Amino acid sequence: NAGVTQTPKFQVLKTGQSMTLQCAQDMNHNSMYWYRQDPGMGLRLIYYSASEGTTDKGEVPNGYNVSRLNKREFSLRLESAAPSQTSVYFCASSEEEAFFGQGTRLTVV
Amino acid sequence: ELKVEQNPLFLSMQEGKNYTIYCNYSTTSDRLYWYRQDPGKSLESLFVLLSNGAVKQEGRLMASLDTKARLSTLHITAAVHDLSATYFCAVTLNNQGGKLIFGQGTELSVKP
Repeated sequence: NAGVTQTPKFQVLKTGQSMTLQCAQDMNHNSMYWYRQDPGMGLRLIYYSASEGTTDKGEVPNGYNVSRLNKREFSLRLESAAPSQTSVYFCASSEEEAFFGQGTRLTVV
Repeated sequence: ELKVEQNPLFLSMQEGKNYTIYCNYSTTSDRLYWYRQDPGKSLESLFVLLSNGAVKQEGRLMASLDTKARLSTLHITAAVHDLSATYFCAVTLNNQGGKLIFGQGTELSVKP
């Protein structure tokens, strides 16, 4: 039972490079989320998707885009990475209860 | 705008002692969660509280919800070292498709 799977687990980017973080869930959940976690800041919501075909901005959407490809998959794209986007990124999915992936540690140099 | 505030943010306890973590939120919500996070790990679900007056217990942890006061508590009984972790509460907005907002987290350290 995989739950929520994120790829990659680690990534180093140069400033200005682009990349996509992938997230897939196998629990048939409608809602999916992307968060970033920085020391002392808790988890801050970047974007979320209440259902397939819909996405909405969260608390810190600037510099990011998302795609809800289908019910299972929700990707997060950094078009032009900046050092301020160095963080740990978590994907989650939920119905009654929210489940989290293992996280992606992203460093932008 | 929904805001979620936890206190304290840091808590150092002795083994065997009791303590409570508080979670306040600013607008009506339909669901409150408590999570545990160990260093370098993902979040582990502890409790989901769905209604006013809900109380759930698992081992030395007990969570409660007062929707009228917009307050949830996580009570730790007779703390042990294994409970050392960061604890987060999170709240969903009513009628917002489950938008899930987190508190800042409480870093708990239990010392012998």
